[in-house]
Amino acid sequence: KAGVTQTPRYLIKTRGQQVTLSCSPISGHRSVSWYQQTPGQGLQFLFEYFSETQRNKGNFPGRFSGRQFSNSRSEMNVSTLELGDSALYLCASSLEAGSDATQYFGPGTRLLVL
Amino acid sequence: QKEVEQNSGPLSVPEGAIASLNCTYSDRGSQSFFWYRQYSGKSPELIMSIYSNGDKEDGRFTAQLNKASQYVSLLIRDSQPSDSATYLCAVNINADYKLSFGAGTTVTVRA
Repeated sequence: KAGVTQTPRYLIKTRGQQVTLSCSPISGHRSVSWYQQTPGQGLQFLFEYFSETQRNKGNFPGRFSGRQFSNSRSEMNVSTLELGDSALYLCASSLEAGSDATQYFGPGTRLLVL
Repeated sequence: QKEVEQNSGPLSVPEGAIASLNCTYSDRGSQSFFWYRQYSGKSPELIMSIYSNGDKEDGRFTAQLNKASQYVSLLIRDSQPSDSATYLCAVNINADYKLSFGAGTTVTVRA
């Protein structure tokens, strides 16, 4: 079975721009979670989507948003980029929703904001 | 208090030795616990999950869970240079319906 895929893998943007990242979960997985990973803060939960609905959201500003499509693919958007948004953005998929479900990570999108 | 805390490391062990990684968590209601391995520049990879008190073994890896002490650990037996990575402990936080990660422990296995 193919794993979680994320596109693009690398991205360079400038402050004030917006960015959209894409995630395709493992086939049959219906839940997608997004995380931000930085050296200083570690892995931080952004949000989780299941059946096209956001089930939970982490402590991030409203500039961070996401959505999920009927085929379970998910996108996250960051508007008005700040230097501090430079990070590795990871998507993880699981069969079902909820924090009990085993999550499998994609390769990540490395975002650099200049 | 942080939701999930790990011994900060780095942890350096000789090849063939046992590496012991510790993790404590704050949510007494947590029921699911995971260990991930992350190589430098790569994404986290699931090593194992544990849900019940006691030990769970998978190859050279053993996870130990003690819910009363709110403690989960990972032992790596016969450590190999390929085990050199950062190990992340993840715990489900029921109150927030999310998975919370520790900061990770970096392990270096010396040949």
